Amino acid sequence: EVQLVESGGDLVQPGESLRLSCAASGFTFSTYDMHWVRQTAGKGLEWVSAIGTAGDTHYPGSVKGRFTISRDNDKNFLYLQMNSLRAGDTAVYYCVRGPRGDNYGTFDYWGQGTLVTVSS
Amino acid sequence: DIVMTQSPDSLAVSLGERATINCKSSQSVFKSSKNKHNLAWYQQKPGQPPKLLIYWASTRESGVPDRFSGSGSGTDFTLTISSLQAEDVAVYYCQHYLDSPPIFGEGTKVEIK
Repeated sequence: EVQLVESGGDLVQPGESLRLSCAASGFTFSTYDMHWVRQTAGKGLEWVSAIGTAGDTHYPGSVKGRFTISRDNDKNFLYLQMNSLRAGDTAVYYCVRGPRGDNYGTFDYWGQGTLVTVSS
Repeated sequence: DIVMTQSPDSLAVSLGERATINCKSSQSVFKSSKNKHNLAWYQQKPGQPPKLLIYWASTRESGVPDRFSGSGSGTDFTLTISSLQAEDVAVYYCQHYLDSPPIFGEGTKVEIK
């Protein structure tokens, strides 16, 4: 059974940093693209980063230069380092798998999410 | 970036009746190399993460009941629940994956009338 378990969410002040982790199990982690997707009450679902099997990374403009996605294929962990956090980064952050088959480009398994709150 | 616009924001449907949700993209999401539309639909029940229902605009993910169907082409797409069940109460999102960044619609909340 595919499982994705996020951790690391917290209440932080604007300008601070936070690192999210995601423990993956139930599939061959190293052979899948992985993503972080966040959800806010106001803006809905927003893709915030991706990392390919070769370690290539991708970000939208809203977080580029502030967020860094990484993976440890030996430990089956996905990470998101978030720097210079802003109030607008307040959201539930989901660890998400990108499938390899016909549905490549979608998001087929999601964790339960971890809440990040940025507030003074 | 491609903009995804869903309508309506919410709808209430009687049990057993049809529910129809619309999604419009600001440009075509047709992938010529695949001859498919890169459009997906997700269901998010209260307190749960989203669940992939449909990809390529009309292909159901494994295990998804056949009362869920997707249709459309170009820039206009529809998710139809043919006979609404109580367990279908949720927010439904469309998403394009033609290019980066993948963008989601704002969501449509489906409730029981």
